[in-house]
Amino acid sequence: AQSVSQHNHHVILSEAASLELGCNYSYGGTVNLFWYVQYPGQHLQLLLKYFSGDPLVKGIKGFEAEFIKSKFSFNLRKPSVQWSDTAEYFCAASAPGTYKYIFGTGTRLKVLA
Amino acid sequence: SQTIHQWPATLVQPVGSPLSLECTVEGTSNPNLYWYRQAAGRGLQLLFYSVGIGQISSEVPQNLSASRPQDRQFILSSKKLLLSDSGFYLCAWSVGGTAQETQYFGPGTRLLVL
Repeated sequence: AQSVSQHNHHVILSEAASLELGCNYSYGGTVNLFWYVQYPGQHLQLLLKYFSGDPLVKGIKGFEAEFIKSKFSFNLRKPSVQWSDTAEYFCAASAPGTYKYIFGTGTRLKVLA
Repeated sequence: SQTIHQWPATLVQPVGSPLSLECTVEGTSNPNLYWYRQAAGRGLQLLFYSVGIGQISSEVPQNLSASRPQDRQFILSSKKLLLSDSGFYLCAWSVGGTAQETQYFGPGTRLLVL
């Protein structure tokens, strides 16, 4: 069955620390991949997405993610986090030609000032 | 610009009572519409999606139903709520023919069934 796994449920970092959030997917064939973020009190919004081409995708606010097909992974990274990055992060996947998205369970990131 | 509205923001309902949550989208035509439930520790679970008026696809068998009476209106309903229906319900929209498109989420409705 198709699935998306996020193994880090809670992450606490100090400002300026580097961030890497794991995302693994289980899909047969081609896959579209997304990272969404939900800041406190705000709507869920897109950070970045990957469909094809360069496996290193850059998104908003200095985030990037790397698609590693051999590892079925799409990890989110940021070299230096800020207090304002405190949020919940969701990885999602979809199969081309479908309307269905599958989300991971989310990772709550807390950045200490 | 496009906006998405959901109401109510919060709802407390007794077990066995009916439910109607509404979602409307402005500023776009023929969107794909989605209902998700977000439960603690379980992420976002897709409940229903719709690619057009009257076209509803159900992803999870359950106590809920969805309807799309107008192009930009999506309604989530139940005839009799269960305790397990408690959760945070999110509506989302996208445009385009497939699941490559960005989804835009509403503010959500927090439902507590007592």
